[in-house]
Amino acid sequence: NAGVTQTPKFQVLKTGQSMTLQCAQDMNHNSMYWYRQDPGMGLRLIYYSASEGTTDKGEVPNGYNVSRLNKREFSLRLESAAPSQTSVYFCASSDRGRSPLHFGNGTRLTVT
Amino acid sequence: AQKITQTQPGMFVQEKEAVTLDCTYDTSDQSYGLFWYKQPSSGEMIFLIYQGSYDEQNATEGRYSLNFQKARKSANLVISASQLGDSAMYFCAMREAYYGNNRLAFGKGNQVVVIP
Repeated sequence: NAGVTQTPKFQVLKTGQSMTLQCAQDMNHNSMYWYRQDPGMGLRLIYYSASEGTTDKGEVPNGYNVSRLNKREFSLRLESAAPSQTSVYFCASSDRGRSPLHFGNGTRLTVT
Repeated sequence: AQKITQTQPGMFVQEKEAVTLDCTYDTSDQSYGLFWYKQPSSGEMIFLIYQGSYDEQNATEGRYSLNFQKARKSANLVISASQLGDSAMYFCAMREAYYGNNRLAFGKGNQVVVIP
């Protein structure tokens, strides 16, 4: 009963390094999302994918890229990490309509 | 423009008492949905309750109820009989019909601390 699985749980990067955050869901959901959470800011949408093969920018997409690899997997890539990208990153998935978002447990990323 | 507003400062609640968390929202859509999530100190996001804009009754889920006042654009969460495990951040979120892909916009959250 895994739900949404994110890896890694923690990561420390130096400025300019790149990395990919992985996310997979086993609920057969069409839609997947990446949010970031910063203190006092709530959750802000970075990118989302309404269905396999489509991706769209959210509220704060600069500095990120995404790939919807298949229906299960949605990855987030930081090409050149900056200290402003220090945050907790959440992946989520959902069906349509009244369906809530189901979240992974988050990735705590620190960029020094 | 901010779509979800949660402005209460951190709240201290006595165990077994009820607490109301305020949420106001901004939308021009007639069809939308409102969600509440709980985030304990361990960090996971836990879905609590949902209210659709056309639902005739206020939503309830166990000790959670939603005081939905459509004309005022408010969707306050009421937690009855608070327990120590209710200490957490609580987020209100909205899905607008325009975003047929299920995007949720979140507020900044309300911190609740339950004291014995």
